Amino acid sequence: GNSVTQMEGPVTLSEEAFLTINCTYTATGYPSLFWYVQYPGEGLQLLLKATKADDKGSNKGFEATYRKETTSFHLEKGSVQVSDSAVYFCAVKAAGNKLTFGGGTRVLVKP
Amino acid sequence: DSGVTQTPKHLITATGQRVTLRCSPRSGDLSVYWYQQSLDQGLQFLIQYYNGEERAKGNILERFSAQQFPDLHSELNLSSLELGDSALYFCASSAGQGAETQYFGPGTRLLVL
Repeated sequence: GNSVTQMEGPVTLSEEAFLTINCTYTATGYPSLFWYVQYPGEGLQLLLKATKADDKGSNKGFEATYRKETTSFHLEKGSVQVSDSAVYFCAVKAAGNKLTFGGGTRVLVKP
Repeated sequence: DSGVTQTPKHLITATGQRVTLRCSPRSGDLSVYWYQQSLDQGLQFLIQYYNGEERAKGNILERFSAQQFPDLHSELNLSSLELGDSALYFCASSAGQGAETQYFGPGTRLLVL
């Protein structure tokens, strides 16, 4: 079956620092890749997605590139803000309809 | 706001009891998915319905069941509850059967005492 591995947190950063969260996946066929974010006390929000190799998803200053050769979809942001403090989930959707999530990475941005 | 609504927001009940969680998908979406988020298991897919019919099943216990009604809202029924069923239950919806993007509701937090 599909699986997603993402770096464990928490990741603690200062405001304006560079953020990288690593994500690698295993999946059959041609999966689509997603990053979801969960702010404290809230549900999951789609942050960005990529549906084929070399696609770059981007939103709110976050970017991730679908790397088929390394089966990776690392999330990056050049300058984080306190409001980016949240839990970030990498997910894969391959054959079938379900999303398979990684364990989540908690990010804490300090002023 | 994703457009997916879930009720109730919080639910506290006792072991052995039965509860029903409700989800209304985004307007026009035909697929509804249920996920469970727990500390030990993470986020896990439970079940999917498309236009009233079950389409995919994940790690859903036999004590749990779901259905999707003609107006496309869905209910997740949890019975003979155990302490370990305490979790956040999310509903998501998408436009079609295998549509790329699933939009999540705010979740129902279930606490079993």
